[in-house]
Amino acid sequence: GEDVEQSLFLSVREGDSSVINCTYTDSSSTYLYWYKQEPGAGLQLLTYIFSNMDMKQDQRLTVLLNKKDKHLSLRIADTQTGDSAIYFCAEAINTGFQKLVFGTGTRLLVSP
Amino acid sequence: GAVVSQHPSWVICKSGTSVKIECRSLDFQATTMFWYRQFPKQSLMLMATSNEGSKATYEQGVEKDKFLINHASLTLSTLTVTSAHPEDSSFYICSASVEGQPAFNYGYTFGSGTRLTVV
Repeated sequence: GEDVEQSLFLSVREGDSSVINCTYTDSSSTYLYWYKQEPGAGLQLLTYIFSNMDMKQDQRLTVLLNKKDKHLSLRIADTQTGDSAIYFCAEAINTGFQKLVFGTGTRLLVSP
Repeated sequence: GAVVSQHPSWVICKSGTSVKIECRSLDFQATTMFWYRQFPKQSLMLMATSNEGSKATYEQGVEKDKFLINHASLTLSTLTVTSAHPEDSSFYICSASVEGQPAFNYGYTFGSGTRLTVV
């Protein structure tokens, strides 16, 4: 199956950490990605993790991968109001070419 | 690097008319382009995949005759919404890809999207 699921909404206060979770289904995915979408805009690649890694840190972003449970998470440290957006996880599926299957998206709202 | 330009950013058209949306890779050659549709507060739905010089592959449930995709060159793909109706109103996003590359290396670069409103 190609269902990638996320919680729909997360609200945090500025300065707190945010954790966005994602469950995917294709165990053969080589890469997993996190994208950010601001209102009325396209998708911006935030970070990614290779399937043989457990964790990746990139400045304020930490990605954790539990391959056994097919669970991916994105932690944003010191969340800012500018981080308010929709966050999508995506898994790469090879169908002769790389195809990205996106999660349902999590709307993050950061309040001052 | 890896810039994709999508035009127009927004368009309003009358019911029954056709609208063309362009997606251009500005600094690389895209072997594959993807077209997505996004409903309000929902995820991206892949509509079709096009490879340069060949017919597009449409996802199940997407009408080929309504959503015409042309990928005439390695830097340009167009989506034409034919005989548009209000239910076609949506946010359309393209993505350009270099075959064999992961998303972080020219594998998947998104345009900024087109908001289509059919009245």
